[in-house]
Amino acid sequence: NAGVMQNPRHLVRRRGQEARLRCSPMKGHSHVYWYRQLPEEGLKFMVYLQKENIIDESGMPKERFSAEFPKEGPSILRIQQVVRGDSAAYFCASSQQGRHTGELFFGEGSRLTVL
Amino acid sequence: DQQVKQNSPSLSVQEGRISILNCDYTNSMFDYFLWYKKYPAEGPTFLISISSIKDKNEDGRFTVFLNKSAKHLSLHIVPSQPGDSAVYFCAASANTGTASKLTFGTGTRLQVTL
Repeated sequence: NAGVMQNPRHLVRRRGQEARLRCSPMKGHSHVYWYRQLPEEGLKFMVYLQKENIIDESGMPKERFSAEFPKEGPSILRIQQVVRGDSAAYFCASSQQGRHTGELFFGEGSRLTVL
Repeated sequence: DQQVKQNSPSLSVQEGRISILNCDYTNSMFDYFLWYKKYPAEGPTFLISISSIKDKNEDGRFTVFLNKSAKHLSLHIVPSQPGDSAVYFCAASANTGTASKLTFGTGTRLQVTL
């Protein structure tokens, strides 16, 4: 399967724990994006990364959230000290080029539930 | 600030008829528009797009119309099929130098009935 791979698909955490979500982009894609979908809402942009660089993190909450896309391995979205409001579906997308008209290919999402 | 709005949360259409999904935007910097389709427990999949230099783009049963003066776009599906039942998201991007940063609407749930 050459699509965008996300894991875990489902993650349950208690308040105060850490959540780590992983994303492997499509083969040949070097641009990765993270989006969050809260219940009954649309997808909201969080962060855009290229290998080893954060290009745009204007949608990331100021605290507790961080993202990386190392030279080797998947992109990781890390949420520290989770709260109930972090419960959402987190989607990763990738693109081949950095053009704003480039099509994004989405993964199936990681659903975080905070108890 | 909802820059992309889909005012109809749901739509029900009979199989074989036309489905029309609407989308309005407020940011005049948007110059590229896309429609994504999403099934439950799956990620969004790209359906069709249109550049602001065009007013229509067609791909099989799917046509997107853009009215720049009204800041409005619509997706027409004809004929509608039961497999089209899904949530449809309108999205937009602006050439601000940041690649493919999409702003999504809240989605319209389409139900195609037999």
